[in-house]
Amino acid sequence: AQSVTQPDIHITVSEGASLELRCNYSYGATPYLFWYVQSPGQGLQLLLKYFSGDTLVQGIKGFEAEFKRSQSSFNLRKPSVHWSDAAEYFCAVGFYKLSFGAGTTVTVRA
Amino acid sequence: DAGVIQSPRHEVTEMGQEVTLRCKPISGHNSLFWYRQTMMRGLELLIYFNNNVPIDDSGMPEDRFSAKMPNASFSTLKIQPSEPRDSAVYFCASSPLAGDKNTQYFGPGTRLTVL
Repeated sequence: AQSVTQPDIHITVSEGASLELRCNYSYGATPYLFWYVQSPGQGLQLLLKYFSGDTLVQGIKGFEAEFKRSQSSFNLRKPSVHWSDAAEYFCAVGFYKLSFGAGTTVTVRA
Repeated sequence: DAGVIQSPRHEVTEMGQEVTLRCKPISGHNSLFWYRQTMMRGLELLIYFNNNVPIDDSGMPEDRFSAKMPNASFSTLKIQPSEPRDSAVYFCASSPLAGDKNTQYFGPGTRLTVL
């Protein structure tokens, strides 16, 4: 069965500090991998995606993610967090149909 | 491009009433998806269309829910009769069938409250 796990429900990080959000998946084959961000009251915005090739992918807003096949992981990182990064982040995997993780809420403290 | 457009953005209705949510996908996208988001269940795929044809409606909760896509630029999700447990945010997303590897682009959502 397909599943996506985001182990951290909530992360608090200081502005300027680094951020890493974890995502693990279970899938029959290596799926397409996505990270989305949702600000309060907004829709989901695509941050980045991985299909094949270089396992380190760059996205918008200074985010990057690394695909590790051996660990079935696709962790999202940002070297220096800004207050505007406070939001909920969703990892998604699949092909036509996407399975979404439960999300990680990021709080940024001044 | 205007992105995926959903209307209304907010809907408050009373139990038993019919609710119709609307979606206009990104021009040129061949796939359209309807999702429901709740605190308890997270993001759930309800149904998706390819080239206006429903491909998988296994996520539709029950017969009270129906979705149509009469043409490439318009889709509706209807709930009749509505119940308080249908209260949620409903998202529409669209995706190109070819190219961009089925990346889904989401609309702003419709927040539905059933009293």
